[in-house]
Amino acid sequence: AQSVTQLGSHVSVSEGALVLLRCNYSSSVPPYLFWYVQYPNQGLQLLLKYTTGATLVKGINGFEAEFKKSETSFHLTKPSAHMSDAAEYFCAVRESGYSTLTFGKGTMLLVSP
Amino acid sequence: DAGVIQSPRHEVTEMGQEVTLRCKPISGHDYLFWYRQTMMRGLELLIYFNNNVPIDDSGMPEDRFSAKMPNASFSTLKIQPSEPRDSAVYFCASSPSRDRAGANVLTFGAGSRLTVL
Repeated sequence: AQSVTQLGSHVSVSEGALVLLRCNYSSSVPPYLFWYVQYPNQGLQLLLKYTTGATLVKGINGFEAEFKKSETSFHLTKPSAHMSDAAEYFCAVRESGYSTLTFGKGTMLLVSP
Repeated sequence: DAGVIQSPRHEVTEMGQEVTLRCKPISGHDYLFWYRQTMMRGLELLIYFNNNVPIDDSGMPEDRFSAKMPNASFSTLKIQPSEPRDSAVYFCASSPSRDRAGANVLTFGAGSRLTVL
């Protein structure tokens, strides 16, 4: 069975600082991996996805994530945080052969001036 | 495309009342999903459809919950009777059949916030 663990329910950074949101997954086969962002009172929006090929994936708004099979991780990073990045971020996994996504509990990113 | 459209955006009702949430998926998407989001349990998959047919409803909490998809452009999630513990944000999402890479991306609606008093 697939599962996702996001370390830290809340992460606080200063504007301009590095953003690192951690995601580890459990899957019996190479998975498809996703990061979604949720702004207040809105639905989830896709930030980026990993399917096959290059393990470093670039997404919208300057975010990127690296798939590390040996560590079963898919951490999300951004070199310099902006106030507008404050939101909740969800990591998700889908195994080949399945149609559904399994989401992590989410990490709330707080950005201070 | 207008995206996934959900209604109502907010619903406040009293315990015991029937609640119907509605969803219009993106045209051409074969899959439709209903999720529930709460602080305690995060995002939970309730049920999903493929080509209007329910595939997996194992996430539906109990018989008070039911979902239908009468056609490719409309789905409902009904709670009857509603209880305070049903208070949550309910999301509908749709996706196309898997692309060549196998990654059918879900597009979410804005959600329906339900409060049961």
